[in-house]
Amino acid sequence: RKEVEQDPGPFNVPEGATVAFNCTYSNSASQSFFWYRQDCRKEPKLLMSVYSSGNEDGRFTAQLNRASQYISLLIRDSKLSDSATYLCVVKANTGNQFYFGTGTSLTVIP
Amino acid sequence: DTEVTQTPKHLVMGMTNKKSLKCEQHMGHRAMYWYKQKAKKPPELMFVYSYEKLSINESVPSRFSPECPNSSLLNLHLHALQPEDSALYLCASSSINYEQYFGPGTRLTVT
Repeated sequence: RKEVEQDPGPFNVPEGATVAFNCTYSNSASQSFFWYRQDCRKEPKLLMSVYSSGNEDGRFTAQLNRASQYISLLIRDSKLSDSATYLCVVKANTGNQFYFGTGTSLTVIP
Repeated sequence: DTEVTQTPKHLVMGMTNKKSLKCEQHMGHRAMYWYKQKAKKPPELMFVYSYEKLSINESVPSRFSPECPNSSLLNLHLHALQPEDSALYLCASSSINYEQYFGPGTRLTVT
């Protein structure tokens, strides 16, 4: 079983839509969770860390559900510039090992 | 400043060449990483340095040789690569709360 499972999409949504991505992780002892955004032919960029109580940054909301072992990312009022691949990342509970989801492709359509 | 720099941006090398990729960060991060990324795939971890010591080697072939000269620098020495090693090589460093910051990568083509 993979450490992190993520629906690859693609998600094609109109501007202004709300879209949600989920990721599940296998190790219940995992402690740190992140969402990254990667544009075509660019490096991944940290979008937000995911905290136990959930956290919001503008149009983006990240949530962690430890009982079901998944993290989610909600994007409200989608913009054309949100088109990218979104990667969920889970840090192993020991050491500096990070597990990446396969990435979810989002295209926001005018 | 959350910048990680990498040189060169692009590299074309033959299978008998020796080359090096370089990475630098000045954020005071004590963990640094090399990843390999193929098109439409997530980054694959290759090596992790923690406090300038190699802490993880993900069974990477010996034709890839990492080096951490000091806490700000990370090198990846390449020798006798294969065409299937062509990929984007990403360097990253991570903060005390494990947020990783990636460099722009070196796009490597092995001919």
